[in-house]
Amino acid sequence: GAVVSQHPSWVICKSGTSVKIECRSLDFQATTMFWYRQFPKQSLMLMATSNEGSKATYEQGVEKDKFLINHASLTLSTLTVTSAHPEDSSFYICSANSGQFGQYFGPGTRLTVT
Amino acid sequence: DQQVKQNSPSLSVQEGRISILNCDYTNSMFDYFLWYKKYPAEGPTFLISISSIKDKNEDGRFTVFLNKSAKHLSLHIVPSQPGDSAVYFCAASEGGATNKLIFGTGTLLAVQP
Repeated sequence: GAVVSQHPSWVICKSGTSVKIECRSLDFQATTMFWYRQFPKQSLMLMATSNEGSKATYEQGVEKDKFLINHASLTLSTLTVTSAHPEDSSFYICSANSGQFGQYFGPGTRLTVT
Repeated sequence: DQQVKQNSPSLSVQEGRISILNCDYTNSMFDYFLWYKKYPAEGPTFLISISSIKDKNEDGRFTVFLNKSAKHLSLHIVPSQPGDSAVYFCAASEGGATNKLIFGTGTLLAVQP
C-alpha cells in the first residue's frame, strides 16, 4: 500500500522558536495533502488543505500566519509552527491524497513546546 | 459545532462477540464515510468505507451500515479479537474519499480475552 512518512516523529522546542514538520508521500504523487492536529483524548481536527503549487486553505479558527504550510512538490508538504507556545503542543498528522484510492495518513509528529 | 459525533467514548466487548460502534452526523452534504482505527501516537489506519449510495459495505470481519435518513452509521466487527482494541474514529467527507475529512470524537474499544 501507499506510504506516507512524517519527520520528525517527535520534537521538543522552546517557547518562541519555530518548528518545521515534513510530510512525504513515498511511492505516489499527491497534489493535495491535509494537516490535522489531535489533542490528548480528542478527535483529529483538520487544520488546512495543502495544494501543490498554490496557497493552502485553512479551516476556520486556524491562524495561517502561525501555521505556515508549503507544498513545494508532489511528494512533500511542510508545516511550520512559528513562534511556538506551550498551547501548540499537540500531535500533528498529515494525510496525502492518492487519487482514486483515497487518503493515506502519516504516522504523526508529537510536538512539545516547553 | 461537532458535525460528526460518536456518543460512546468507550466500549468493552468479550473476545468472539460482536462489537458495534456508532456514529451520527449532522451535515446532509456528507456523501462518503470512513472508519479508522488508531493507536496512541500513531496515524489512523483505514478500515472500511461506504458511499452514500449504499447502505452496507462488508470487508472480512468489518461491516459498515449507513442509514441516511437517520444520519447514522455503524461499524460491526465480528468476531471481535483482542487485537482490535484501539480507538475507532468515523469520518465523513463531501465529494468522496479524496476530500477533507471531518472526524468523529472516537470510541475506545477494549476486547477482553
